[in-house]
Amino acid sequence: QVQLVESGGGLVKPGGSLRLSCAASGFTFSDYYMSWIRQAPGKGLEWVSYISSSGSTIYYADSVKGRFTISRDNAKNSLYLQMNSLRAEDTAVYYCARDRDYYDSSGLFGYYMDVWGKGTTVTVSS
Amino acid sequence: DIQLTQSPSFLSASVGDRVTITCRASQGISSYLAWYQQKPGKAPKLLIYAASTLQSGVPSRFSGSGSGTEFTLTISSLQPEDFATYYCQQLNTPGTFGQGTKLEIK
Repeated sequence: QVQLVESGGGLVKPGGSLRLSCAASGFTFSDYYMSWIRQAPGKGLEWVSYISSSGSTIYYADSVKGRFTISRDNAKNSLYLQMNSLRAEDTAVYYCARDRDYYDSSGLFGYYMDVWGKGTTVTVSS
Repeated sequence: DIQLTQSPSFLSASVGDRVTITCRASQGISSYLAWYQQKPGKAPKLLIYAASTLQSGVPSRFSGSGSGTEFTLTISSLQPEDFATYYCQQLNTPGTFGQGTKLEIK
């Protein structure tokens, strides 16, 4: 069945780094855009980043731009999020998700997340 | 960036009730909206995309409508498993989420 499994979360000090991974199975990974979304404790959802199927198109939320790097290895069916210069406000559950593209008559690109992993917890604290 | 505002933030209802949650966008987004359900400790689940298209496997008591700046998610007859938090998301980049609506048992 279609599945996403995140790993790599943990406790890290402010200013530290962490690399999250997301292993995909049950679908042709290389056909899909992928996203990272996070949720701080007791808070709502925040989209973090997405990467196109080939890796050629990448976007970041302003809150992580310049500190986080998304990447993928289609041969390994894996998505990654390299997180540097971590701050307390980066503390959250991080979800990876499969994106589905959507276009209306305007032709404008849109995407939504149809498959989510269970998440991995990142805690930034001294 | 486009902002999404959900109302109400909290909703108390009973099994069998019909409930409606509203999501308003700060500028027109055509039909570029999705709805998700999240239960405590679980990942979000896609309910509706393109404002009104029901995701495969989602019960038909869920429906979405709207276009432009105002959207609604309706649950026609609440079931015990529907008590959860609901989020709207606009489908343009960045994929902003609404702040959430927590649906509780009355």
